[in-house]
Amino acid sequence: GESVGLHLPTLSVQEGDNSIINCAYSNSASDYFIWYKQESGKGPQFIIDIRSNMDKRQGQRVTVLLNKTVKHLSLQIAATQPGDSAVYFCAEDYGQNFVFGPGTRLSVLP
Amino acid sequence: GAGVSQSPRYKVAKRGQDVALRCDPISGHVSLFWYQQALGQGPEFLTYFQNEAQLDKSGLPSDRFFAERPEGSVSTLKIQRTQQEDSAVYLCASNLAGTGAYEQYFGPGTRLTVT
Repeated sequence: GESVGLHLPTLSVQEGDNSIINCAYSNSASDYFIWYKQESGKGPQFIIDIRSNMDKRQGQRVTVLLNKTVKHLSLQIAATQPGDSAVYFCAEDYGQNFVFGPGTRLSVLP
Repeated sequence: GAGVSQSPRYKVAKRGQDVALRCDPISGHVSLFWYQQALGQGPEFLTYFQNEAQLDKSGLPSDRFFAERPEGSVSTLKIQRTQQEDSAVYLCASNLAGTGAYEQYFGPGTRLTVT
């Protein structure tokens, strides 16, 4: 998988603003995608998923957009809250397992 | 209900020691996955079980790594003759379905430090 070492891309947003986290995936045959949130010292936690026959899916305060033409996923978080501060990973279905992207650290400023 | 649990949560091993990491998946979950997560990186796939059958072990980095799930529930990841590069968080995940293409529920991980 890709590696960005210790220096994760970081997105800083003001509390209450919307956040957009982007991810490029590699396998055009992937059928299923998940966004995970990982807080320090914890395992990844499911946020939202989308299948390749859709281009948009909404959850509570979160929306995932899928652009298969350019192999791009995005996660939109509405009205970002301090509790949203974490590292966010996209993951693509690779047959029997998932391949995770390098992650983006979301920092919510007061 | 109970989620995926892993033990120990932290393990310090001297280089050359063997370690065993345990995963208790969610009851009834067919599939079980092990991932390795280095500091600042995303999880990387190690191996996958469907019930007791190990269907994919392509991600195991060397023959020092061995995983088993003898009764189709609890799984153990064993690392022999640990090296410093084995230092990482080892994550276990499970899901109900017989394939990977469904949400995976992750445990908290075991942080292994090899000194």
